Amino acid sequence: GESVGLHLPTLSVQEGDNSIINCAYSNSASDYFIWYKQESGKGPQFIIDIRSNMDKRQGQRVTVLLNKTVKHLSLQIAATQPGDSAVYFCAENTSGTYKYIFGTGTRLKVLA
Amino acid sequence: DAGVIQSPRHEVTEMGQEVTLRCKPISGHDYLFWYRQTMMRGLELLIYFNNNVPIDDSGMPEDRFSAKMPNASFSTLKIQPSEPRDSAVYFCASRGLAQNEQFFGPGTRLTVL
Repeated sequence: GESVGLHLPTLSVQEGDNSIINCAYSNSASDYFIWYKQESGKGPQFIIDIRSNMDKRQGQRVTVLLNKTVKHLSLQIAATQPGDSAVYFCAENTSGTYKYIFGTGTRLKVLA
Repeated sequence: DAGVIQSPRHEVTEMGQEVTLRCKPISGHDYLFWYRQTMMRGLELLIYFNNNVPIDDSGMPEDRFSAKMPNASFSTLKIQPSEPRDSAVYFCASRGLAQNEQFFGPGTRLTVL
């Protein structure tokens, strides 16, 4: 896993704009990836997942992109809303194991 | 379903005291996970169970930490004796065998003075 510094990276976007949150994962053997959203005072909540045999997956207002060559994952949120303000984590997993390795997290602030 | 239930939601204790955190997973889920979240280290897996059996406890910091799952609907994480550096939010999560998603509880915020 990755260690977290004292300050989370923060992304500030205007309401209605699109947001892109990035994540670098660590294990080349990871073949399953998840994005979680964590609101203040709550536990992480599943947003979307993707397997390594795909490079893109779309959900409602969210899209996850996977680039295995550079071990990079991104989460795109369309038409960002105030309710999207939260910390977003990526997590990686290797099939056959049940451990998730969580990334450092990015704080998304939506400006009205 | 009520989701994963954790208690207490907040715990303040003094150094040296025993602390017990509780978790009720989602009914029917075969896997239960305990995580610790701090600003410095992020979200760390401490231990996980499959069918009430501990599978991987390599994330447990030291012998002061212990976890049990006496049945499919209940697990505890115990810290004895507690230290100020144990202050963190502790999450429990569960998942079913056929699922990939882990469902997290609301967490227990522990403060050790």
